Amino acid sequence: EDQVTQSPEALRLQEGESSSLNCSYTVSGLRGLFWYRQDPGKGPEFLFTLYSAGEEKEKERLKATLTKKESFLHITAPKPEDSATYLCAVLITSGTYKYIFGTGTRLKVLA
Amino acid sequence: GAGVSQSPSNKVTEKGKDVELRCDPISGHTALYWYRQSLGQGLEFLIYFQGNSAPDKSGLPSDRFSAERTGGSVSTLTIQRTQQEDSAVYLCASNNIPGVTEAFFGQGTRLTVV
Repeated sequence: EDQVTQSPEALRLQEGESSSLNCSYTVSGLRGLFWYRQDPGKGPEFLFTLYSAGEEKEKERLKATLTKKESFLHITAPKPEDSATYLCAVLITSGTYKYIFGTGTRLKVLA
Repeated sequence: GAGVSQSPSNKVTEKGKDVELRCDPISGHTALYWYRQSLGQGLEFLIYFQGNSAPDKSGLPSDRFSAERTGGSVSTLTIQRTQQEDSAVYLCASNNIPGVTEAFFGQGTRLTVV
């Protein structure tokens, strides 16, 4: 069964304290892995797409990496405005196209 | 439009009533998806449209749920005889190259069944 697991469920960091979020997956026929940010009361906002193991993408304080079984979202020197829920999704294309989401990591960055 | 638009943003309905939720995808996007997000849960896939066809309806929870898409654009998700467990945020997303690119989400419709 296709599955996406994110850890930790919740994370509290002090401003400037770097950390990493994990997304592990078991899917047949991975076509892409996606990271989204979701603020309360809003829809998910696209951050990154990774297509193959070894690939890395960066945007401001965020860096996403991908291996054959998991992805990491590294947050360097976070600020309070980085507080949000971070969602990971995999795209499967066997007989259909759909994104399977993990349950997310709720990040709180304290000033 | 510039982004995916959903309406209404909030809907409160009485148990047993029917509701319709609307999604306007990004112009030119051929693929459209409906997801449901319950409190503290991840996004649950409901249905995928390619053009006006729905090749994958596997996530619809029961026959009370249906969806259609017209003109390759606007989609409507209909829930008949609503139940309290239908309370959730319903999210719509679209993309232009299904099976390859990221999907862009709307703000969602928060449905509360009382």
